[in-house]
Amino acid sequence: SQQGEEDPQALSIQEGENATMNCSYKTSINNLQWYRQNSGRGLVHLILIRSNEREKHSGRLRVTLDTSKKSSSLLITASRAADTASYFCATVRNTGTASKLTFGTGTRLQVTL
Amino acid sequence: DVKVTQSSRYLVKRTGEKVFLECVQDMDHENMFWYRQDPGLGLRLIYFSYDVKMKEKGDIPEGYSVSREKKERFSLILESASTNQTSMYLCASSFAQPQHFGDGTRLSIL
Repeated sequence: SQQGEEDPQALSIQEGENATMNCSYKTSINNLQWYRQNSGRGLVHLILIRSNEREKHSGRLRVTLDTSKKSSSLLITASRAADTASYFCATVRNTGTASKLTFGTGTRLQVTL
Repeated sequence: DVKVTQSSRYLVKRTGEKVFLECVQDMDHENMFWYRQDPGLGLRLIYFSYDVKMKEKGDIPEGYSVSREKKERFSLILESASTNQTSMYLCASSFAQPQHFGDGTRLSIL
C-alpha cells in the first residue's frame, strides 16, 4: 500500500494563483520529500523537510509538516505555466542499508495562461 | 550536476523474452534503485543496491532480478517478460538523500 496519499489528484489553476497540494502518510518518518515530474521525464527533487521541522521554504515553495496529523502540504506561490507537472510526496524509512522512499500517487498540476 | 542515464527511452519486447534495462550514474553514489511507475499507483520500489554486488528486494520484486557488478551501473532484468510488466521504469541513485532520477524507460511487452 502507498505510504503517501496526495490530495487533490488533479488541480487546475491560472498563472499567478497559488497552488496547494496535500500529502498524508501512515507511519512515523525520518523526513518527507517532495518531487516534481514533468510529463515523460524522471523525478526532480524539490525540497526535504525533517521530522523535527514544521515549515521550510525554497524560493516560491513552502512546505509544512504536521507529524501529529501525519500530513504535509506543498504550496507553490505565484504559479507559472512552467510549474505544470505532477508532484509527489515521498516518505523516508531508514532500513539500515539504505534510505528508501515510499511515494504517493501524485497531484497533477495544470497552470494555464 | 548528477547525471543518471537510462539506456533506452522506449523499448518494445515480446512475452517470454529476457529483457535488460541499464542505468548508469556518474556521481559515485553507493545507492541505486529501480522503480516502476503505473497510473494511479505512483512509484513502487522493485529492487535497490547499497554497494557493488549487494542488493535488496523492494516492495514488488517478483519477476525481476538485478545486477550491480560496477558501482556506476545497475541493471534490471526481466527474466521472462510478461504483459503485466508493461510500465515506465525509473532508475535513481543517491549518496544519502535526495535521490536523483533518470528520465525513465517506457517498456511495452507485446
